[in-house]
Order: sequence, then C-alpha cells, then structure tokens
Amino acid sequence: EDQVTQSPEALRLQEGESSSLNCSYTVSGLRGLFWYRQDPGKGPEFLFTLYSAGEEKEKERLKATLTKKESFLHITAPKPEDSATYLCAVQVGSGGYQKVTFGTGTKLQVIP
Amino acid sequence: NAGVTQTPKFQVLKTGQSMTLQCAQDMNHEYMSWYRQDPGMGLRLIHYSVGAGITDQGEVPNGYNVSRSTTEDFPLRLLSAAPSQTSVYFCASRRGKHQPQHFGDGTRLSIL
Repeated sequence: EDQVTQSPEALRLQEGESSSLNCSYTVSGLRGLFWYRQDPGKGPEFLFTLYSAGEEKEKERLKATLTKKESFLHITAPKPEDSATYLCAVQVGSGGYQKVTFGTGTKLQVIP
Repeated sequence: NAGVTQTPKFQVLKTGQSMTLQCAQDMNHEYMSWYRQDPGMGLRLIHYSVGAGITDQGEVPNGYNVSRSTTEDFPLRLLSAAPSQTSVYFCASRRGKHQPQHFGDGTRLSIL
C-alpha cells in the first residue's frame, strides 16, 4: 500500500529562522511528487512538482528537493505570510488516471 | 479565469437527506476529482473522471455518486446523508496525467 508520511505535524518558527519539512514515501513506481500550500478555509494551492531523485525546484523562499525515499521543503528566512499547512502528495502507477496519495500535512506558523 | 468553482461553501443536512455538491472548471481540463478532507487524515479520493462520460471510483466511494455530462461540470451527489459524511469536500481538475491539480475552495458539509 502506498504511504506518504509528513513530519513534523506542526512547526513554529521565528521570522527569519530557516527550517525544513519532510515528506517520506513508500510507493511503487513514483510518477511525480507534488507540494501544495493550504491556507485556512481554502483549497490546496500548487507549489512544485518533482519527478526524479536529485531534482530541485525553487520559488521565492521555498526550495523542494527529492531523493528516492523522501522529499524536503526547505524554507529560508520565513515570513509570517508563509504560515500555512504544507501538503505533500505522490502520484504512482500507469494507465489512464494515475491516482494521487496525500500526506496529512505540516502546519507551519511563523511568528513575527 | 475563475479556475475551479464549488458551491455551496457551507451546508448543513439532516441524516437521510440527499444533496448535490456542484463543481465547475473553466480551464478545459479533462481530469476531475472529488476528495474529502478530515482532521488527521490526508485528502482521500472519492470519485474521479478522465473525460466527459467517463467516471470511476476512488478510495472512499460508498454513499456518493458522480456524473460527467460536460467537460466543465462534475457534480457529487450524496444519496442518503450520514453523520460519517461530515467533512470538507474538495473538487480538483488537471490538464493531463502528470500535471498538478487545481483545487476549489471546498464545501464544508455537516450532517446532523
């Protein structure tokens, strides 16, 4: 069974204090790994897609990396507006649809 | 572009009632999905569609029906509401197999 585990469940940072969120996965035939940001009362918003081990993507203060067993979302010098829940999801399989399995998320709070 | 639009935003039902959650997208995406999000659990797939006239079951389909008569619309029907269906429901669409999903802002549903 495909499994996606995110850690920590919650993270509290001071503004400017860099850190990393972890997404570990156990799947057969990874087709892609996605990172989303979800604000309270909103739907997930797409951040990055990673397809193969060694790949990295960056956007502003966020950088996502991928190995064969896990992905990290690095947050450099975070600001209060980075506070949100960050979701990781993996896409596996072949065929027409290719289902996506989500982790339970890391709730990030950045304090001014 | 409006993206993915879900209505209603909030709904309270009594056990046994039926209702339809609406989802529309204006991006001409072929793939559409319905998820439910519960505390402590990742987004779970209810039903999905790979194009007009084609639907299939996801991870937790019991108690729900879908249809896809047009590319734009993908309604989710609760046949006889049960308290276990209290949740936040998200509709998502994507352009192709390996593309990220675009989510609506959800319908918060309470079953009394």
